[in-house]
Amino acid sequence: DAKTTQPNSMESNEEEPVHLPCNHSTISGTDYIHWYRQLPSQGPEYVIHGLTSNVNNRMASLAIAEDRKSSTLILHRATLRDAAVYYCILRGASSGNTPLVFGKGTRLSVIA
Amino acid sequence: SQTIHQWPATLVQPVGSPLSLECTVEGTSNPNLYWYRQAAGRGLQLLFYSVGIGQISSEVPQNLSASRPQDRQFILSSKKLLLSDSGFYLCAWRLLPWRGTEAFFGQGTRLTVV
Repeated sequence: DAKTTQPNSMESNEEEPVHLPCNHSTISGTDYIHWYRQLPSQGPEYVIHGLTSNVNNRMASLAIAEDRKSSTLILHRATLRDAAVYYCILRGASSGNTPLVFGKGTRLSVIA
Repeated sequence: SQTIHQWPATLVQPVGSPLSLECTVEGTSNPNLYWYRQAAGRGLQLLFYSVGIGQISSEVPQNLSASRPQDRQFILSSKKLLLSDSGFYLCAWRLLPWRGTEAFFGQGTRLTVV
């Protein structure tokens, strides 16, 4: 799977939008962009994924650049419960049974 | 609905003692199963994964082993724990590709080796 680059940490005020960037300049045409997050003392949980078009779900939005070399996870209104480590992971169509490999992710702090 | 059970939640074990952590999945069949470890302040490290009964792939040679005696049961073991085995152990499952893209994680076991 192609490599992703994320900032080590970010900070946001509560109730404000948060834009978490992810660079993946070596992404291939069949790579899906997945986001997971890990709340303190818990296992990671799936957030969202996409291929080319922007995606929305109840947790977040995913904005994918036109050249697909970067993407942004958008939390529309950060809450204290959104404080977590956010992981951006690429998964190719040919990944098959290979496991998810997590990088260091971005640690998001939310300030009340 | 599918659920994943992992126990115990916390464990304190002396150096040199054995270890057995169990993970079971309900509500699905033939899942891919994974064991990850997260040392304090570190990232998630993949330890083992299994695509079927008796099929185990090891990612990092170490003091641990894994077994899958049943379709929805995944066990992590050690004969003699080391201090460096301390960490947060997570079990996860995932359906075969294109039948589901998400991986689901258990609540984890926090192991402290003393």
